[in-house]
Amino acid sequence: SQQGEEDPQALSIQEGENATMNCSYKTSINNLQWYRQNSGRGLVHLILIRSNEREKHSGRLRVTLDTSKKSSSLLITASRAADTASYFCATAAGGGADGLTFGKGTHLIIQP
Amino acid sequence: DAGITQSPRHKVTETGTPVTLRCHQTENHRYMYWYRQDPGHGLRLIHYSYGVKDTDKGEVSDGYSVSRSKTEDFLLTLESATSSQTSVYFCAISDDRGGTEAFFGQGTRLTVV
Repeated sequence: SQQGEEDPQALSIQEGENATMNCSYKTSINNLQWYRQNSGRGLVHLILIRSNEREKHSGRLRVTLDTSKKSSSLLITASRAADTASYFCATAAGGGADGLTFGKGTHLIIQP
Repeated sequence: DAGITQSPRHKVTETGTPVTLRCHQTENHRYMYWYRQDPGHGLRLIHYSYGVKDTDKGEVSDGYSVSRSKTEDFLLTLESATSSQTSVYFCAISDDRGGTEAFFGQGTRLTVV
């Protein structure tokens, strides 16, 4: 079963605006990661936040994690047309070797 | 891009035929994974490997087998392909058991007719 669930499933905004995507998960985690997938391509890692962290920044990306609510959010500031892609959250279970469990993704469209 | 190559990139096969997909890495990462991606389901783990000859099942392993005889190669075999296995298959590698980022291949689009 899916561990992470992204919300919304699709998001369309104007270039320059901020985009926020949310992810909820069900069980305890070691860390939560966000990936981007451009159409027809593989996934690319964006950022990782560990379970003992609450916020992390990387360039125009800001990720928050609330383990009490089992949720995370990804904020992309000052969006660009090149940010158009699908975004997935993925969770790594504590102590497990069974890889990452992905959500279904949010498809982000940046209107020029 | 991380040194990870999937082959073939596209394949059309008939129902009932065996199919093998190959994942090759040049990063010497210990962990290798096979995922499938379907509309409405995101990515789901099929099988993974934590070392040469060490493999285990993932969430959707039925109908699939894997082998890893060398660190750099991880093979996914569909013993008898079915239409429900039409999907895009991704290989991923990491040097930690989920504790660090994973690197993905470009994917193999498999169509079973």
